[in-house]
Amino acid sequence: RKEVEQDPGPFNVPEGATVAFNCTYSNSASQSFFWYRQDCRKEPKLLMSVYSSGNEDGRFTAQLNRASQYISLLIRDSKLSDSATYLCVVNPSGSARQLTFGSGTQLTVLP
Amino acid sequence: EAQVTQNPRYLITVTGKKLTVTCSQNMNHEYMSWYRQDPGLGLRQIYYSMNVEVTDKGDVPEGYKVSRKEKRNFPLILESPSPNQTSLYFCASRPTSGFSGANVLTFGAGSRLTVL
Repeated sequence: RKEVEQDPGPFNVPEGATVAFNCTYSNSASQSFFWYRQDCRKEPKLLMSVYSSGNEDGRFTAQLNRASQYISLLIRDSKLSDSATYLCVVNPSGSARQLTFGSGTQLTVLP
Repeated sequence: EAQVTQNPRYLITVTGKKLTVTCSQNMNHEYMSWYRQDPGLGLRQIYYSMNVEVTDKGDVPEGYKVSRKEKRNFPLILESPSPNQTSLYFCASRPTSGFSGANVLTFGAGSRLTVL
């Protein structure tokens, strides 16, 4: 089983739709969780950290479910500019050594 | 501007011809890392460095070398490139001190390498 798994998609949604991605992780001791966004052929950039209590940033909501070992990202009122690949990132052990990346979920928002 | 700079951005080379991809950051970050990204496999860590003169293998170190002689620079060396090292490479850095930003990676723009 991969350490971090994501549905690769692609997710094709119309503008204005609400879309949700899930990401599962295998190490129950994982400490930190993030969503990164990667535009085509560009570098990944931090979208948001995921906190235990859940957190929201504008149209984006991230949640953590430790019991089921998954994190989620909800995008409301999708914009064309949201089209990108969304990477789930987990710090498996809380050490500074390594972050583990999922292979990403591709989102295309259609006009 | 705080950034990670990698060069070259694009390179086509031939099997066996040694090459170096440079990486430099201006944020005084302790931690630096190299990743390669291949379709369907996501980002895989090649090597990382916790600080000057401290480097360690990631998940896919075979065929690569690194050095960390200065805090700002972390070059990736391919002594004898092979076609299976054709990939998109990213350098990244982050601080390691204990605050909320300590796990947030800043990436370079990427280096697309083709080995013929």
